This record gives sequence, structure tokens and C-alpha cells, in this order.
Amino acid sequence: GDSVTQMEGPVTLSEEAFLTINCTYTATGYPSLFWYVQYPGEGLQLLLKATKADDKGSNKGFEATYRKETTSFHLEKGSVQVSDSAVYFCALSLNTGGFKTIFGAGTRLFVKA
Amino acid sequence: DAGITQSPRHKVTETGTPVTLRCHQTENHRYMYWYRQDPGHGLRLIHYSYGVKDTDKGEVSDGYSVSRSKTEDFLLTLESATSSQTSVYFCAISDRTSGEADTQYFGPGTRLTVL
Repeated sequence: GDSVTQMEGPVTLSEEAFLTINCTYTATGYPSLFWYVQYPGEGLQLLLKATKADDKGSNKGFEATYRKETTSFHLEKGSVQVSDSAVYFCALSLNTGGFKTIFGAGTRLFVKA
Repeated sequence: DAGITQSPRHKVTETGTPVTLRCHQTENHRYMYWYRQDPGHGLRLIHYSYGVKDTDKGEVSDGYSVSRSKTEDFLLTLESATSSQTSVYFCAISDRTSGEADTQYFGPGTRLTVL
């Protein structure tokens, strides 16, 4: 079935370090891919998205590229800040009739000053 | 920020009691969803609605029912709460358009504890 797998956390980094959070997916059809972020005590909010192969989504210094050949959508940021500490969720949405959005289990990121 | 509120934000109840959670939106979005969030499981869909009085089940619908009598309100009811329903519940909305990415907008969540 359709699924999203992302790396387990927590991930702990020092400020200004490079971040990668891996995400791979399995889907029938051609999904749109998303990264959502959840700050403590809040709901999820969209961080970035990509709708087709080779698209790059970017926002707030984060970016991810839709790789169809490796079924991946890895999240990267060149220099993390303490304020980036949050839980990050990879998700896919299938637009081929009916409803289906599937979320990964989430990866908690801690950034130390 | 999308106008989505959830009430109550926190609730403690006892096993066997009925509980209703409310989601209210001011965006006039057609689609509304209820998810539960549990450690290690990410978000799992309970029920969703694609219009007034139009609802359908998600992957973890057992023990839950929903109603949507107005565009802006989506209610989640636990008919007889159990300890396994202790969780954080999120409402989400989207203005899903065929052929476009289905971005979802989330409410702040309701933390429910069933003793």
C-alpha cells in the first residue's frame, strides 16, 4: 500500500550545522509531496511542497527535491538555528480521485546553541 | 494563518463517557478532517468530510463518529471513551482542487485524556 518512511529521531545538531532528514515513499500513481513542521504545542503547518518529479520546494532556507527515480523527498537546510527545533513530517497526497494524504511518523529535531 | 479553532483544547474524562470535540473554520473550505497523533504513528486519519452532511471513514474510525451540519463546523464524537483513545486530536481543512496539491491547514489540537 501507499506509505511514507522517514528517518527516526531525535536528531540533535549544533547551531549552523547542516541538516538532512530522509524521506522515502511508496505510492501507486503520481503523488504530491510535502514537508510539514510542528512547533511545540501547535498544529502542523506546511513548510514546502512539490507536485511533480524534479520539482524543488523551498521555504525559510529549507529545500527538498522530488526524486521519482529514488522515490525520495529529503529535507535539507544549510545552517540550522535554535528556532528550527520542531517535529518535521513528510507526507504524500494522491490526486487521482478520492482522498488520501499519508503522513510519515515525524522526526524530532533539537538544535543546540 | 488559516482560521481554524478547536474546542476544548484540553479535556480529561473517564472511561465510558461520551465526548464531543468541535472544529470550527472561517475559511469556507470544503474539506475537513479529523486526525489523531500518537508517538511513533505520525498522524492517522479518523474521518473526513467533503461537504455538508457528506462524511467518510479514515483508517482508524472505530469508536468515533462525526457530523457536519454546517460548512464551518465538524464535530468528532467518542460515543463511549476508552483509554486507547487518549491522544492529541487535530482538525484540518483544505480547499482541495482537482489536479492541485492538497495542502492541509491544521488547528491547534485538543489533548484528550481518558482515565
